[in-house]
Amino acid sequence: DTGVSQNPRHKITKRGQNVTFRCDPISEHNRLYWYRQTLGQGPEFLTYFQNEAQLEKSRLLSDRFSAERPKGSFSTLEIQRTEQGDSAMYLCASEAPGGRWQYFGPGTRLTVT
Amino acid sequence: GIQVEQSPPDLILQEGANSTLRCNFSDSVNNLQWFHQNPWGQLINLFYIPSGTKQNGRLSATTVATERYSLLYISSSQTTDSGVYFCAVASNAGNMLTFGGGTRLMVKP
Repeated sequence: DTGVSQNPRHKITKRGQNVTFRCDPISEHNRLYWYRQTLGQGPEFLTYFQNEAQLEKSRLLSDRFSAERPKGSFSTLEIQRTEQGDSAMYLCASEAPGGRWQYFGPGTRLTVT
Repeated sequence: GIQVEQSPPDLILQEGANSTLRCNFSDSVNNLQWFHQNPWGQLINLFYIPSGTKQNGRLSATTVATERYSLLYISSSQTTDSGVYFCAVASNAGNMLTFGGGTRLMVKP
């Protein structure tokens, strides 16, 4: 049983560039969540999917951010025109149908220079 | 939205000591989880405990939902217990978690 995987693990980009992260949830988990964690803080909810439908978006998710889960399996999170304030760890979690636990991936650490 | 506060923010223990971490939340919840974030950033599930008491080895947790707090007990601490402990709650059908600020634990040999 493989856990949640995220790629890349680290990304360094220059301000103004676009970046895309990928999350592969645990097989047959229908819910997928994205969170962002800045240094010294707890993770903050960004958005979640139930199957392929994006059901909730945080106000933290500005219009430069877009997330997709086209076939209800893996998900991508894209940040356009990155800013230094986007530097953070981006975490993905998945949850089984009727489940209660959320299982987190190792995260993608983004550094915007 | 719901507020989550954890205390203490930092804790230093000698190996073998016991400790209690607290999580207060501002509203009724239908989900409460405790996580351990290791030095590499991985969040590890410890307990799903919106109410009641559970034990897993040297760790145990109690949530008193009516009084809106949860406690995580660590007994006979080991250096591998070091890291950040997060409490996270949800009060919505979507199970979107709100995390506290964490307790940073260092266990010294």
